[in-house]
Amino acid sequence: DAGVTQSPTHLIKTRGQQVTLRCSPKSGHDTVSWYQQALGQGPQFIFQYYEEEERQRGNFPDRFSGHQFPNYSSELNVNALLLGDSALYLCASSLADSGITDTQYFGPGTRLTVL
Amino acid sequence: QKEVEQDPGPLSVPEGAIVSLNCTYSNSAFQYFMWYRQYSRKGPELLMYTYSSGNKEDGRFTAQVDKSSKYISLFIRDSQPSDSATYLCAMSARAGNNRKLIWGLGTSLAVNP
Repeated sequence: DAGVTQSPTHLIKTRGQQVTLRCSPKSGHDTVSWYQQALGQGPQFIFQYYEEEERQRGNFPDRFSGHQFPNYSSELNVNALLLGDSALYLCASSLADSGITDTQYFGPGTRLTVL
Repeated sequence: QKEVEQDPGPLSVPEGAIVSLNCTYSNSAFQYFMWYRQYSRKGPELLMYTYSSGNKEDGRFTAQVDKSSKYISLFIRDSQPSDSATYLCAMSARAGNNRKLIWGLGTSLAVNP
């Protein structure tokens, strides 16, 4: 079992550019959540995808968008990058309707640097 | 005031010490409490999951929840250098896959041999 995988590992962009980050969930999982973790901070919830639809969203602007594919993998897109978007972007997968003991499994993250 | 407060440390202890990590919260609706461990350059991994008040033990780890004080703790017994990591608390008001986790900042722990 490969677990949650994310690509790329690192990315450097300049202000105003656009970026796409990718996530493959753990085998058997159908839900993907995206988080932003700034240095020295806890993860901040961006949004969650289930059945190819955005199910919940945190306090992030519309510049942050996403997609889930039929194979449950997901993409996070960020447009018009700002310096403040520099962070570790984490993907977490889980199984819908797994009850009270549901668990989110995290990938290693993509470190985005905006210059 | 943040919903979840966690002292970022850093905390440095000798090998074999008992470690106490804590979080306080303000939202009385929180019922589900988690502790995650995050090694450098890795994603968080779930250590402990507790529902409502009480204690839960798993090997060297014990999680405590005191809902009356809005205070949760993670104890690590016989700490090892491999326990050196950042420990994050997270909590939610609902169970289920569509809940939103609220996180603390994380406490950086170093266990010295």
